[in-house]
Amino acid sequence: QQQVKQSPQSLIVQKGGISIINCAYENTAFDYFPWYQQFPGKGPALLIAIRPDVSEKKEGRFTISFNKSAKQFSLHIMDSQPGDSATYFCAASSTGNTPLVFGKGTRLSVIA
Amino acid sequence: DAGVTQSPTHLIKTRGQQVTLRCSPKSGHDTVSWYQQALGQGPQFIFQYYEEEERQRGNFPDRFSGHQFPNYSSELNVNALLLGDSALYLCASSLKDTQYFGPGTRLTVL
Repeated sequence: QQQVKQSPQSLIVQKGGISIINCAYENTAFDYFPWYQQFPGKGPALLIAIRPDVSEKKEGRFTISFNKSAKQFSLHIMDSQPGDSATYFCAASSTGNTPLVFGKGTRLSVIA
Repeated sequence: DAGVTQSPTHLIKTRGQQVTLRCSPKSGHDTVSWYQQALGQGPQFIFQYYEEEERQRGNFPDRFSGHQFPNYSSELNVNALLLGDSALYLCASSLKDTQYFGPGTRLTVL
């Protein structure tokens, strides 16, 4: 049972455009939702995270939008740059240092 | 402040062999989690160690075992290697909910 569904599988965006990646979860016990960025051959790097008590969190060009009733959250990358080209994973867990459940990832390519 | 470190970087083994992977957590972190990432997939949780005890375990066979030392570093052991064990093995350390990943160990089983 896949508990976190991520879409799209791949995404091509023009430089300067907005990249949008969506995730949906099933387990209502989840209350921590991080996004990770991974470059080839490297480990995932924490990008930004949100908890259900807020509907949006922004850090620089990266914004998470969260819809608790729909059990969905999304990552928006504003002014996308070629250096943003990587695989992005959404994840979810419950309070108490529980294991992360990952989506299958989105391969983002930002073209000039 | 050093981040999460893992060794070795790459490893090649043959079927049936045994392997040990190592992880040192970020300074101040007391919890270590191990994940397996197959090519083109998201990381899958193997197990988590806290206070030298296995606290949680994912859906992996008993061939996968681990250990945490008093300094919070950890080892992942895999016995009787199968071709399907070829993957990137990731260690993540945490103090509360936020997990920070190491660079991983790429294991190839021939």
